[in-house]
Amino acid sequence: VQLVESGGGVVQPGKSLILSCAASGFTFSSYTMHWVRQAPGKGLEWVAVISYNGVFKYYADSMKGRFTISRDNSENTLYLQMNSLRAEDTAVYYCAREFSAFDIWGLGTMVTVSS
Amino acid sequence: QAGLTQPPSVSKDLRQTATLTCTGNSNNVGNQGAAWLQQHQGHPPKLLSDRKNKRPSGISERFSASRSGNTASLTITGLQVEDEADYYCSAWDSSLNVWVFGGGTKLTVL
Repeated sequence: VQLVESGGGVVQPGKSLILSCAASGFTFSSYTMHWVRQAPGKGLEWVAVISYNGVFKYYADSMKGRFTISRDNSENTLYLQMNSLRAEDTAVYYCAREFSAFDIWGLGTMVTVSS
Repeated sequence: QAGLTQPPSVSKDLRQTATLTCTGNSNNVGNQGAAWLQQHQGHPPKLLSDRKNKRPSGISERFSASRSGNTASLTITGLQVEDEADYYCSAWDSSLNVWVFGGGTKLTVL
């Protein structure tokens, strides 16, 4: 059972970035999935959730309208489209599986927003 | 979105018992329960207890979770050096349709 995030990097303020999370070892299409982020030296911050079939999506207020969560169950992949990035979006972004809670986590991918 | 409230730090002696608390409200901890996660520096979080206070496979029995009203607790018995970490609680807020995290408690084992 594994989650592997990718797509992080250094991006200028106002630009966009797409993160991916490749799932393996379990039936990806059966699980609700999340993105959670952690700014350097700070605590965990929930970003967004998507239901197993992609129908239901919810976002943290500070990300609503700028971030879009999506999934491709045929490719066992979770995505996070991030637009209008700000310095305060700098963080490690984790994807996590939900089974009554966040039971499986990836290692994370670092996003740095800086000019 | 107000988060859950956790004490920033707790210090306990080796082999003693630590109880970490997490306070929310009736829309999150009170009716949805809280999960507990452990995070060591430089590593992703690890689930210690789910919203039903159940430990995932492989988690030591020294970790036990409970809830009373809007406050969830994580009790760690027989503290060991490797228990020194950051501990986070998290809950689904059924009113706001968001997940909320506590600010985390840094546990120091003396």
